[in-house]
Amino acid sequence: GAVVSQHPSRVICKSGTSVKIECRSLDFQATTMFWYRQFPKQSLMLMATSNEGSKATYEQGVEKDKFLINHASLTLSTLTVTSAHPEDSSFYICSARGGGTGEKLFFGSGTQLSVL
Amino acid sequence: GENVEQHPSTLSVQEGDSAVIKCTYSDSASNYFPWYKQELGKGPQLIIDIRSNVGEKKDQRIAVTLNKTAKHFSLHITETQPEDSAVYFCAKSFGNEKLTFGTGTRLTIIP
Repeated sequence: GAVVSQHPSRVICKSGTSVKIECRSLDFQATTMFWYRQFPKQSLMLMATSNEGSKATYEQGVEKDKFLINHASLTLSTLTVTSAHPEDSSFYICSARGGGTGEKLFFGSGTQLSVL
Repeated sequence: GENVEQHPSTLSVQEGDSAVIKCTYSDSASNYFPWYKQELGKGPQLIIDIRSNVGEKKDQRIAVTLNKTAKHFSLHITETQPEDSAVYFCAKSFGNEKLTFGTGTRLTIIP
């Protein structure tokens, strides 16, 4: 099956620092990747959609200068949380679809970000 | 896309019994309906999906039914086991557009 790898699984950082999260498709070419944020006991909230080689499309209310998304290759997308603050603490999850997966969307294992 | 309503929000089932979760939607364009299982601290896992040209799909103990006229689709888990305990999300999309997720159902299997 399609495998999406996400790293790190957990990160703790100080307020004001930047954190980078990586999302890789291991066995397929991910033409489209999605980044989600999830608060405890809630559903997934889409932050942005990125297509390989193009600028990401951000959902309303998501600051593009704070959440930098790069999708430079067909197997890698990164989310950088810049100048992190405690309110950015959350569970971030990437997902990907692409060649061979059709409409099926496969998720990474998530990154728990804690900003002190 | 428009919202997806998911019920119930919590469900407790005796081990060995069946569990049913239902989702309803309102738009006419959606044609792809996946179900995801999410365990604590992990990402969602695709467990089954159905397209609008099919009314039912089954994979071992899991089945999904779709009533496109009534705009609702359901997840059925038979012979439930403790490892089925998790949060389940339904979702919908039109083709390769972004998924719209339901609000989730926390399923607890009672041994």
